[in-house]
Formats: sequence, C-alpha cells, structure tokens
Amino acid sequence: AQSVTQLGSHVSVSEGALVLLRCNYSSSVPPYLFWYVQYPNQGLQLLLKYTTGATLVKGINGFEAEFKKSETSFHLTKPSAHMSDAAEYFCAVSRRSGGSNYKLTFGKGTLLTVNP
Amino acid sequence: EAGVTQFPSHSVIEKGQTVTLRCDPISGHDNLYWYRRVMGKEIKFLLHFVKESKQDESGMPNNRFLAERTGGTYSTLKVQPAELEDSGVYFCASSQVAVGELFFGEGSRLTVL
Repeated sequence: AQSVTQLGSHVSVSEGALVLLRCNYSSSVPPYLFWYVQYPNQGLQLLLKYTTGATLVKGINGFEAEFKKSETSFHLTKPSAHMSDAAEYFCAVSRRSGGSNYKLTFGKGTLLTVNP
Repeated sequence: EAGVTQFPSHSVIEKGQTVTLRCDPISGHDNLYWYRRVMGKEIKFLLHFVKESKQDESGMPNNRFLAERTGGTYSTLKVQPAELEDSGVYFCASSQVAVGELFFGEGSRLTVL
C-alpha cells in the first residue's frame, strides 16, 4: 500500500521568502511522484512530476522538487514566494495498479499563505 | 481547448435524496477518474474508466454509488440514496496517457443535510 504524509497543514511565509513544503511517501515499488496546486475556486493543476531520470524536477511558476529515495521524500521548494503562490498544495504518489491504471494517492494538502 | 468541466458546481440535498454529478473530460482523453475529498481529509480515488470500461472501481465507498461513462465520453456519478457522510467535493480528472498529467475539473461540492 502507498501513503503520503505532508508535514504541516498550513504554512505561512513572507513575500520573497523561501517556500518549503514537505512530503514523505511510502511505497513498496519505485513511485511516480507529483505535486498539484489548487488555487481558490479552481481545479487541481499539475506543478511538477517525477517519473524516472533526474531526481531534481523543475515545474511551473519557479517551483522545484527533489526526489530523495533514501529519505523517501519529495519536498517542494521555491526560492522566493510571491503573493500569487497562495493556494493549497497536494503531494501525490502513483503506481501501476492493474491495466493502465496509475491512480494517485494524495496527501492531506498544505495550505500556503503568503504575507506581504 | 476546453478543460474538464463538472456540473453542478454545488449541490445541496437532503439525506435520502438522489444526486447525479456529471463530468465532461477533455476531448480525446480515454482515461477518466473520479476522486473525492471529504472535509479535512485527503483526496481519495474512487474509480477509473478507460473509454467506457471501468478499469478500477476499488475506491467506490458502497453500492449507493454508481458511475457510468456513456460511449467513452462524459461520465456521471450517481449517489442514491445520499447519506450525510457523502458530503464532500467530487473531482473528475482525465488524461490522454496513463502516467501522463491528470487534468482536473473544478469539482462538484455535495452537501447532504
């Protein structure tokens, strides 16, 4: 079975400060890892994903995440927060579960607040 | 190109009533998923269609939930009869390839009173 733990249901940073959202996963097989973002009144949008290859993954809006197998982590970072980054962020893990199904297991989400 | 659209955006019903949620995936996307988020908890997988066939429905809570996908296009999720614990946001997502990016709709918020 897979699981995802996001440390901190709510993270608050100042504009221009480093954003660090933590995600640890549990998977019995090599995972595919994702970060999704949900802005107010919108659907979930893919920020970035790790499938194979380079462990440092760059996504949209200046975000990046590093897959660390030894730590079973996939933390999301951004060097400088912007007011528009305020949203809820979800870490997710996927594995093949039969046929072509790569269903996602999500963490509980982290609400990011950016203060002026 | 239109994204994934869901209807209604919000539905308020009484316990015991029936509600049908609809999802229109992105045109050409064979894979269609339903997920649900109960307040304060994680988003959970309900089921997966490949075209009109149910590939995996292991996440469906019970037999009060019925999902269909007509002709491999739009999908409906019916809850009958609705219970209080069914309240939450129901997300639909579609993708073109199995491990590709999932495109999510804005969700349908269901409130059961």
